[in-house]
Formats: sequence, C-alpha cells, structure tokens
Amino acid sequence: KAGVTQTPRYLIKTRGQQVTLSCSPISGHRSVSWYQQTPGQGLQFLFEYFSETQRNKGNFPGRFSGRQFSNSRSEMNVSTLELGDSALYLCASRDGYEQFFGPGTRLTVL
Amino acid sequence: AQSVTQPDIHITVSEGASLELRCNYSYGATPYLFWYVQSPGQGLQLLLKYFSGDTLVQGIKGFEAEFKRSQSSFNLRKPSVHWSDAAEYFCAVGPLSGGYNKLIFGAGTRLAVHP
Repeated sequence: KAGVTQTPRYLIKTRGQQVTLSCSPISGHRSVSWYQQTPGQGLQFLFEYFSETQRNKGNFPGRFSGRQFSNSRSEMNVSTLELGDSALYLCASRDGYEQFFGPGTRLTVL
Repeated sequence: AQSVTQPDIHITVSEGASLELRCNYSYGATPYLFWYVQSPGQGLQLLLKYFSGDTLVQGIKGFEAEFKRSQSSFNLRKPSVHWSDAAEYFCAVGPLSGGYNKLIFGAGTRLAVHP
C-alpha cells in the first residue's frame, strides 16, 4: 500500500495570506490527524477527523481549520498567516492503535 | 496533566556502542506508549509500541523498549548503534479516551553517531 501523502511538500507564504494543505491517508484508513512541529513547541496535536467529522481539536486558534472528504482525504487551512505559523505540518492516518505519518508540508511564512 | 519528558536533548555515541534514550510520562492510567524516529526533512516512522502484556517490546531496526510502570518510564535501547541511526527520536503517549489519534509527544532526543 502507498503511504500517507502530503501536498505540497514546501510552501512559502507571506503574513496575512491563507494556505491549504492536503493529506491523503493510506488506503482504507478512515481517521486522519494533523500535527504542527516547530523547534520551540515541538509536536503539537491540531485536530483529528474520522468519517468526515472532527473528533478532537488541539489548543490552536480558530485560524486553523480542517475538513475531511468522503474518500478520507483531508485538508487543513490556516487563515491570516502569522510568522509563528512557520512549521512542519504532519498528517497521520490510523490503523487500529497505530498512526502512520506522512513526510509533512514545510510552511514558511515571510 | 498528561505529559512526556525526554530528559536528554542531545546524545552522542560512537558507532557500535550501546544506546539508551530515556522517556518518562505522566498519565492517569496505563498509557499506550510509542517511540518514533525522524530523519532530517522526513516524517515520523514508528519504531515500536506498547499497549499491554510483555513489558519488553521489540521494534524495527534492532530497537527495544521496556515499560516500567513503577518508574513511569519507557526507555528505548539498542545494543549496537549504526551510523544510520543518527536522527531525532520522539517518545509519545496516547490516551485511552478521546480518540487514539491524540498523541502527546516528548521534546525529542537528537542522536549523533561518531564513526
């Protein structure tokens, strides 16, 4: 099976813009989670989707949002970008108790 | 509050030497415990996991970890390190409720391997 794929791999945006990141889970996996990784804060949980419903949300402002489609693909959106949003955004799909991570999208906000 | 502590930010070992990376957690019940490895520019790869049963678990790439409930620890070990093991290692705990996907990660330990 193909692994978790994330597009794009790299993004450069400017403050105030918005961005959409995409994640395709492993075939058959219905749960997708998103994490933000920064040098200062480490790996932090953003949200989890299962069957198109958000089940969990981390402690992030409302500028961070997401959705899941009927084919389990997921997108996350960040509006009104700030410099502090520069990070590696990781998507993970779940099989039982195991999470499988994608390579991430590196977002740089200038 | 739930938390994971990895006391060592950086560790340097010689190739062929043994390795132990420390992980302590704070959690109200028996947690699900994981070790992940991240190479530069890559995502996270699962090395091993503990859910229940035998407290010594074997993983990929020759790694093992031991769950010690009395010490709230889940230390990662490898008897002989290879240069390709240089990477960052993350310990994580997953709650039993609220969805298994919500992993809490430690800050990571960056491993350097000297030839």
